[in-house]
Amino acid sequence: QSALTQPASVSGSPGQSITISCTGTSSDVGGYNYVSWYQQHPGKAPKLMIYEVSNRPSGVPDRFSGSKSGNTASLTISGLQAEDEADYYCSSYTSSSTLWVFGGGTKLTVL
Amino acid sequence: QVQLVQSGAEVKKPGASVKVSCKVSGYTLTELSMHWVRQAPGKGLEWMGGFDPEDGETIYAQKFQGRVTMTEDTSTDTAYMELSSLRSEDTAVYYCATSHEWELPNWGQGTLVTVSS
Repeated sequence: QSALTQPASVSGSPGQSITISCTGTSSDVGGYNYVSWYQQHPGKAPKLMIYEVSNRPSGVPDRFSGSKSGNTASLTISGLQAEDEADYYCSSYTSSSTLWVFGGGTKLTVL
Repeated sequence: QVQLVQSGAEVKKPGASVKVSCKVSGYTLTELSMHWVRQAPGKGLEWMGGFDPEDGETIYAQKFQGRVTMTEDTSTDTAYMELSSLRSEDTAVYYCATSHEWELPNWGQGTLVTVSS
């Protein structure tokens, strides 16, 4: 069982918006602004999409945005495009003996 | 720009050890904090361990303590991850990745390790 909880799957039509949640505890998501999100296409390495809750690395479209409320972080993708279909993982720093935790991943299907 | 190139796929028998390498270019290894993440077939990402710049030490996930060793050769800018006492559940793609604060912006291409008798 992953330390952070994500929905197994979400779906949306092109042009729509979707949100993926990531629920942790006060020891990780709720306690620090070190939540990041990764996109992974089949057979590829993960790609950083959001860091420190809501910051986008250079080159990531502004259709991708992040936020946090309490122990739950969220990734929102607006104006869905076919190429957004992928697996998405959240991650957070944790004050436990394990420095880093990931969510179980969410499969995004663009209908 | 940081580039990470990993060693090729490995097939190992249960009980054996595997050592995966990760060659850094674009920066020197001393400028980076290296981490290792694995992904079993059809499963999610799992952090195995990495360098904590605040403590100046390599931290291992509790699950792997005693079985994993992460080392660096700064003369060749190559990082290594060795996992011992392999079992079938260790079959996975192993990634090296560098951190910036508490995110992982740079990843290697992955190394498939298959554990099978």
